[in-house]
Amino acid sequence: RKEVEQDPGPFNVPEGATVAFNCTYSNSASQSFFWYRQDCRKEPKLLMSVYSSGNEDGRFTAQLNRASQYISLLIRDSKLSDSATYLCVVNIGGSGTYKYIFGTGTRLKVLA
Amino acid sequence: EAGVVQSPRYKIIEKKQPVAFWCNPISGHNTLYWYLQNLGQGPELLIRYENEEAVDDSQLPKDRFSAERLKGVDSTLKIQPAELGDSAVYLCASSSGTGMSGELFFGEGSRLTVL
Repeated sequence: RKEVEQDPGPFNVPEGATVAFNCTYSNSASQSFFWYRQDCRKEPKLLMSVYSSGNEDGRFTAQLNRASQYISLLIRDSKLSDSATYLCVVNIGGSGTYKYIFGTGTRLKVLA
Repeated sequence: EAGVVQSPRYKIIEKKQPVAFWCNPISGHNTLYWYLQNLGQGPELLIRYENEEAVDDSQLPKDRFSAERLKGVDSTLKIQPAELGDSAVYLCASSSGTGMSGELFFGEGSRLTVL
């Protein structure tokens, strides 16, 4: 079993739609959680951190369920520019250390 | 402020040849990572440095891969000899490793094609 698992998609959604991505992780000692965005042939970039209480950044909402070892990302009112691969990232390092494990990524294509 | 710089951006070699990739992290970032990314996959960690010390190289295929980070700044990743299956993008990333954010900053990557 992979340490971080994501549905690879692709998710094809119309503009304005709401879309949700899920991610599960296997290491219960994981310390912190993130969503990264990667555009085609570009490097990954941090989209948002994921906190236990859930957090929102504009149209993006991230949630963490430690009991189920599950992370989600919700995108509301999808824009064409949201088309990218979304990578779930888990830090399995100990306190103060960072060993980032990436999921395979979920491809999103927003259609006009 | 300059980001993570990698070179070369592209490299095409024949199998069994050696190849080296160079990375200059963001100034002041103590932690440096090398990741390998195959098409359609997420980045896979090869090695992680804290300053000049390789603290995690468990995923580095040591029979053909080597890495160094002299003086705790720049790093080099070498493959010798390269195999067809090594064709991938090699990503270098750095982080300051402080607090909960620990954001990873990636370079643009070095795309290797082995013929």
